[in-house]
Amino acid sequence: GESVGLHLPTLSVQEGDNSIINCAYSNSASDYFIWYKQESGKGPQFIIDIRSNMDKRQGQRVTVLLNKTVKHLSLQIAATQPGDSAVYFCAENTGTASKLTFGTGTRLQVTL
Amino acid sequence: DTAVSQTPKYLVTQMGNDKSIKCEQNLGHDTMYWYKQDSKKFLKIMFSYNNKELIINETVPNRFSPKSPDKAHLNLHINSLELGDSAVYFCASSPAPKNTEAFFGQGTRLTVV
Repeated sequence: GESVGLHLPTLSVQEGDNSIINCAYSNSASDYFIWYKQESGKGPQFIIDIRSNMDKRQGQRVTVLLNKTVKHLSLQIAATQPGDSAVYFCAENTGTASKLTFGTGTRLQVTL
Repeated sequence: DTAVSQTPKYLVTQMGNDKSIKCEQNLGHDTMYWYKQDSKKFLKIMFSYNNKELIINETVPNRFSPKSPDKAHLNLHINSLELGDSAVYFCASSPAPKNTEAFFGQGTRLTVV
């Protein structure tokens, strides 16, 4: 399934399916991007990052795709598991400031 | 050992009170942050310190005053608490001021009544 990360939408996927979470970022000068996972009652946890000189990066079960032309970032989770249920945030850094600007988040619900 | 630790985890207080939240990181990072997460889960930076020096101060009321006694600590003091200050406050740290991942603490849920 897919979703756009606006106003904390919810993406429901079945266990074992692939998930795609989308994010539109705001600043064309941003040169570093991160995906975070936040479980209930916990702080955001780093998943994967990508720099603007790349368009794809793979981790364990996760892939981040960056399309600078349309300022779009996506997180793909392969074989989604119940433990993947959380709120996912994209964040951008322009490189000129010491801060991450977060997107609004997407809630991923994994159904059995 | 927790990498970024905040205390307290929960804080309930009355309007008008003054309170502090403490943060410590044992990662040896140079940069520390305070973020605020509202009821809609929106995360926004408040302050950033690099080597004890304030480098980012977003449009935060001056009732909020961060203090960094050393590189490993960044505390947040809030004066004259208001209902709208109720939120979850996250401390974070990163190895460098830019283009590196930030490690977050578990958060402090502040409720002003």
